[in-house]
Amino acid sequence: DAGVIQSPRHEVTEMGQEVTLRCKPISGHDYLFWYRQTMMRGLELLIYFNNNVPIDDSGMPEDRFSAKMPNASFSTLKIQPSEPRDSAVYFCASSLGGGPNYGYTFGSGTRLTVV
Amino acid sequence: SQKIEQNSEALNIQEGKTATLTCNYTNYSPAYLQWYRQDPGRGPVFLLLIRENEKEKRKERLKVTFDTTLKQSLFHITASQPADSATYLCALPNQAGTALIFGKGTTLSVSS
Repeated sequence: DAGVIQSPRHEVTEMGQEVTLRCKPISGHDYLFWYRQTMMRGLELLIYFNNNVPIDDSGMPEDRFSAKMPNASFSTLKIQPSEPRDSAVYFCASSLGGGPNYGYTFGSGTRLTVV
Repeated sequence: SQKIEQNSEALNIQEGKTATLTCNYTNYSPAYLQWYRQDPGRGPVFLLLIRENEKEKRKERLKVTFDTTLKQSLFHITASQPADSATYLCALPNQAGTALIFGKGTTLSVSS
C-alpha cells in the first residue's frame, strides 16, 4: 500500500480564496482523521470519520471549515474563505479501528500558506 | 479537559547514550498511551502503544513506561544514534476514547 496520500503538498493562496485539501486513506481503514499542526498549538484534531460518517467535528475552528468523505477512499477539507491565521500544516491520518489496538498512519501533510 | 505536557526544550545527547523523554498528563485516566516519531516535513509515524495495565513495553532499542499513579510516561532510546534525531510525540485518547490527542513533542538531537 502507498500509505495515506495527501494533495497538494504545498498550497499558497490569497486571503479570501477557497482552499481544498485532499486525502486518500489506506484501503480497508475505517477511521479517517484531519489534524492541523502549528508551532504554537501543536497537532490539533479537527474532525474524524468512521465508515465515511463524520463523528466529531468539535475541533473545526469555524464555519469556514468543512470536511466531507463521499466514499471510503477519499476525503476533503475545505476552507472558505481562507485567512492568514489558517496557515499551518494539515495532516490526514487513517486507522483500522478507533480503539487502542492500532496506531494511526499519517500522510505527509499539506503545508498551507495564506497571504 | 485533558492536558498533555512534553518538555518543550530540545534534548541534546551524545551518540551511544540513553535518551529519556517525558510525557505528563492531567485531568483524566487514559486506557492507553502511544508514542510517535516525526521527522521534518513528514507526518508522525507510530512507534509504540502501552496500555494502562502494562508497566513497561519494549521494541528493539525503545522502551516505554506508563505510571498511572504519577500520570506519566517515559520514553527511552538506548544506544542512541544520530538517525534517532527527530521530534517525539506522545498521544492519549480523548475522553470519549475515540480519537487521539497529541502532546506538542520533544525534539531529540543525537550528535556523533
